[in-house]
Amino acid sequence: NAGVTQTPKFQVLKTGQSMTLQCAQDMNHNSMYWYRQDPGMGLRLIYYSASEGTTDKGEVPNGYNVSRLNKREFSLRLESAAPSQTSVYFCASSDSPVAKNIQYFGAGTRLSVL
Amino acid sequence: GNSVTQMEGPVTLSEEAFLTINCTYTATGYPSLFWYVQYPGEGLQLLLKATKADDKGSNKGFEATYRKETTSFHLEKGSVQVSDSAVYFCALSDRTNAGKSTFGDGTTLTVKP
Repeated sequence: NAGVTQTPKFQVLKTGQSMTLQCAQDMNHNSMYWYRQDPGMGLRLIYYSASEGTTDKGEVPNGYNVSRLNKREFSLRLESAAPSQTSVYFCASSDSPVAKNIQYFGAGTRLSVL
Repeated sequence: GNSVTQMEGPVTLSEEAFLTINCTYTATGYPSLFWYVQYPGEGLQLLLKATKADDKGSNKGFEATYRKETTSFHLEKGSVQVSDSAVYFCALSDRTNAGKSTFGDGTTLTVKP
């Protein structure tokens, strides 16, 4: 049972480079989320998608874009990476908002921007 | 807006000690409350949940009770093990808004043999 799969697991970028973080879930969940985790700051929501075809900004969207490609996949793009974007990125999914709102997380992508 | 405040860490305990990690929240309406656990190198996973006042969530010997009057959801375990060493996150979910969750900053627990 795969759950939420993120790729890649590790990435090193130079300032100004671009990259896309991939996320896929096999639980038929409607909602998907991207978070970043920084030491002492918990999880901060970057973008979310309540359902296929919709995306909305979270708490820290600047410097990122997202695409909800289909119900399974939700990608996060850094167009011009900056050292401040060095972080661990987590994708999550959840079932319908009227349910218990449990979030299921991927294993994370550890990104360093030099 | 919604917020979650967790007891600051890190917390270091000896095996078989009693654990309490405090969590208080601010929210409009009636949120669902959660504890998630993160083991090294992994993503978060649900530990337990409670969806209404006075509910008690429990799992793997951990418990937490939804206290609306004190807006708290403290995590407890009677006897911790080395394998409980992890980061613990308290969270709440706004049921009306795409299921978005608000997380605390996390509390790192280390259990020594």
